[in-house]
Amino acid sequence: AQKITQTQPGMFVQEKEAVTLDCTYDTSDQSYGLFWYKQPSSGEMIFLIYQGSYDEQNATEGRYSLNFQKARKSANLVISASQLGDSAMYFCAIVDSNYQLIWGAGTKLIIKP
Amino acid sequence: EAGVAQSPRYKIIEKRQSVAFWCNPISGHATLYWYQQILGQGPKLLIQFQNNGVVDDSQLPKDRFSAERLKGVDSTLKIQPAKLEDSAVYLCASSLVRLMNTEAFFGQGTRLTVV
Repeated sequence: AQKITQTQPGMFVQEKEAVTLDCTYDTSDQSYGLFWYKQPSSGEMIFLIYQGSYDEQNATEGRYSLNFQKARKSANLVISASQLGDSAMYFCAIVDSNYQLIWGAGTKLIIKP
Repeated sequence: EAGVAQSPRYKIIEKRQSVAFWCNPISGHATLYWYQQILGQGPKLLIQFQNNGVVDDSQLPKDRFSAERLKGVDSTLKIQPAKLEDSAVYLCASSLVRLMNTEAFFGQGTRLTVV
């Protein structure tokens, strides 16, 4: 069965610093996809970035990049130049060959001014 | 492009009462999901529809939960009777096709409190 582990329940980061949110996964599928979503206090899940298991390049979307290390089954999210509006819950999720999203428990990120 | 619409945003009911949630996905999205998110946890898939057919409802407590997707568009999720442990945020999401390299778009959710 697929599993996502996010080991950081919470993080405090100074504004404008870079932050890395950890995500490790466990799957026996050869083909899978990894997502990161942001959930602000308003409750909506906001898509940030996607990495396919066969993608050779690390995904990037603006200030977000994904440090994908397939052999280590790691897909860490890097946010550069953090902003106050980045304060939110961040979830890592894997989609398996059954097209199901399996979610981690999330990391609460707080950006300090 | 309009996003995924959910209503109501908040609902408080007593245990053993019934409640229904409504979701209108993004136009043209074939796949619709209902998730339950308990405070402090990641979402848990309850049911997945492909057009108006159920793809997966293995984690739906069928003795009390039911869901339907009318004409492959709108969807309703019902709980009858509600229990205290059903207190959670219920998230509806849709995607253009079944997920692999396309993201799901989420509504703002319905926060249910059962007292």
